[in-house]
Amino acid sequence: QSALTQPASVSGSPGQSIAISCTGTSSDVGGYNYVSWYQQHPGKAPQLIIYEVSNRPSGVSSRFSGSKSGNTASLTISGLQTEDEADYYCNSYTNKNTRVFGGGTKLTVL
Amino acid sequence: EVQLVESGGGLVQPGKSLRLSCAVSGLTFKDSAMHWVRQAPGKGLEWVSSINLNNVAVDYADFVRGRFTISRDNAKSSLYLQMNSLRPEDTALYYCTKDDGHFAIDIWGQGTMVTVSS
Repeated sequence: QSALTQPASVSGSPGQSIAISCTGTSSDVGGYNYVSWYQQHPGKAPQLIIYEVSNRPSGVSSRFSGSKSGNTASLTISGLQTEDEADYYCNSYTNKNTRVFGGGTKLTVL
Repeated sequence: EVQLVESGGGLVQPGKSLRLSCAVSGLTFKDSAMHWVRQAPGKGLEWVSSINLNNVAVDYADFVRGRFTISRDNAKSSLYLQMNSLRPEDTALYYCTKDDGHFAIDIWGQGTMVTVSS
């Protein structure tokens, strides 16, 4: 199972919006609405921010949103804040009943 | 407060074995599917293995299948990962995690470090 493809890095200024893509195949991202996204600050455990493509857990800011088109899922962060600077990972269920993560994207808030 | 506390990591030689444990508290353990996820130093997250509520359904990433075994003891609210034939590329922080019932992971432990080196 190959890792999902994410850009290595993205950047934006405070107040702007950015999007992070996550590309897989019809065997994972494209085949199921079971894409989740995680935020990880340095030295910390990851935190769930989106599940089932576009749902936010309780307590997660509405500035975070998710979507999917075909084999590509996307995480959008609007109104960027300095505390959003972190690594972001997508994850998908697969047709082998396994899970697969993306390679991760480092977000820099300039 | 929900807590997932991993233990059992350490330095081990290639080819040797190690058993990780995860003590779970603050939730009804028997009602939760669980996963192990790892992260090599400076690298990304890798899903390792999952187990359903009653030990019936287990799954593994290709890179550990046949070497690692996941199990759980619902009476002890504990999750385990038996790791055999360890390789240097298995060096990573191993996280014990809980499935949220929506094919996502909503709770993470702090991890236990495994270093495979001679």
